[in-house]
Amino acid sequence: QSALTQPPSASGSPGQSVTISCTGTSSDVGGYNYVSWYQQHPGKAPKLMIFEVSKRPSGVPDRFSGSKSGSTASLTVSGLQAEDEANYYCSSYAGSNNFYVIFGGGTKLTVL
Amino acid sequence: EVQLVESGGGLVKPGGSLRLSCAASGFTFSSYSMNWVRQAPGKGLEWVSSISSSRSDTYYADSVKGRFTISRDNAKKSLYLQMNSLRAEDTAVYYCARGRSGDSFDPWGQGTLVTVSS
Repeated sequence: QSALTQPPSASGSPGQSVTISCTGTSSDVGGYNYVSWYQQHPGKAPKLMIFEVSKRPSGVPDRFSGSKSGSTASLTVSGLQAEDEANYYCSSYAGSNNFYVIFGGGTKLTVL
Repeated sequence: EVQLVESGGGLVKPGGSLRLSCAASGFTFSSYSMNWVRQAPGKGLEWVSSISSSRSDTYYADSVKGRFTISRDNAKKSLYLQMNSLRAEDTAVYYCARGRSGDSFDPWGQGTLVTVSS
């Protein structure tokens, strides 16, 4: 299993929207509705922001939304705020016969 | 409050062994699958291993299969990762994370650093 493909960086000004892509294959992103997104600030543990493609855990602002088309998933952050500046990682279930999870390489989101 | 606290990290020589622990509190530990995810210095996240709530099913990334063993003690609300035949490329912060629907991980512990070096 190969890592999912994310752009290394993304940026936007406060108040704007930014979308981060996560590209896989039919064996992972395209084959299951089990895509998650995590936010990680420097020196901190990752935090779940989106699961099952588009669901938000309680406490996550509705400025964060997820979607999927074919083998590419996307995370959109609307109304960018300074505290959204962080690294974002996607993950997907990838096990056809048993449990297996793969992550993307991560995207550094900069709020200009 | 749900809390996961890892321990057991440290410096170990190549070929050596280490056992990580994760103490859980604030939830019914025996009802959840549990996971280990690692992050090499300055790198991205890598799923390492998962164990079902009943301990009957265990899963491993190809990179650690045959060297690492995941286990849990539901009575002690603890998760473990026995790491043998350690290599330099195993150097990372190891996070414990609770399993959630959709094969997601939530929440995560603060991590414990494992350094494999001579």
